[in-house]
Amino acid sequence: GENVEQHPSTLSVQEGDSAVIKCTYSDSASNYFPWYKQELGKRPQLIIDIRSNVGEKKDQRIAVTLNKTAKHFSLHITETQPEDSAVYFCAARGNKLSFGAGTTVTVRA
Amino acid sequence: DGGITQSPKYLFRKEGQNVTLSCEQNLNHDAMYWYRQDPGQGLRLIYYSQIVNDFQKGDIAEGYSVSREKKESFPLTVTSAQKNPTAFYLCASSTNRGLHNEQFFGPGTRLTVL
Repeated sequence: GENVEQHPSTLSVQEGDSAVIKCTYSDSASNYFPWYKQELGKRPQLIIDIRSNVGEKKDQRIAVTLNKTAKHFSLHITETQPEDSAVYFCAARGNKLSFGAGTTVTVRA
Repeated sequence: DGGITQSPKYLFRKEGQNVTLSCEQNLNHDAMYWYRQDPGQGLRLIYYSQIVNDFQKGDIAEGYSVSREKKESFPLTVTSAQKNPTAFYLCASSTNRGLHNEQFFGPGTRLTVL
């Protein structure tokens, strides 16, 4: 089955700086890569996703890149704000969706 | 945050007891999922159902059971056979049509075994 690894497990950044989270996957048949944000005590919510026929996708301050050859994808958050503090999960879908272990992002004011 | 609901929000159980967690959705989604969330381990799939009256084991199905008698409902039973049931349980649903299969999550149930 699919195995998704996510790094780092924790990330602390100064407000205004960028944050980058990286994930690798094992199943070359995976074709859909969503990113979820989970604020403390709340449910995970989709923030951006990318499909295997696209290399990069951007939505305001967040962007995701995908390298199918290397089987890795990354989340980039620019101009971080305190409300970006949360746990972020990457996922990859082959025959089902498999999640990474999560990255706890803390934005320091 | 409407559309998919879980109850109760907090649940306490004595060892040896079975307990059922509720999940309901009014999004007309065909597929529903149960995940377990533990600190540092992300979301692990317990069971999923792509259509009514059908369901499949996920990665950690041992000690759990489900049913899918109605499209809107996908209850999860945590049995006494589950060795470490204390966790946060999340239910999700998605459409099976097209390529956009975003999963929508419920608010979760925190189960504590006393």
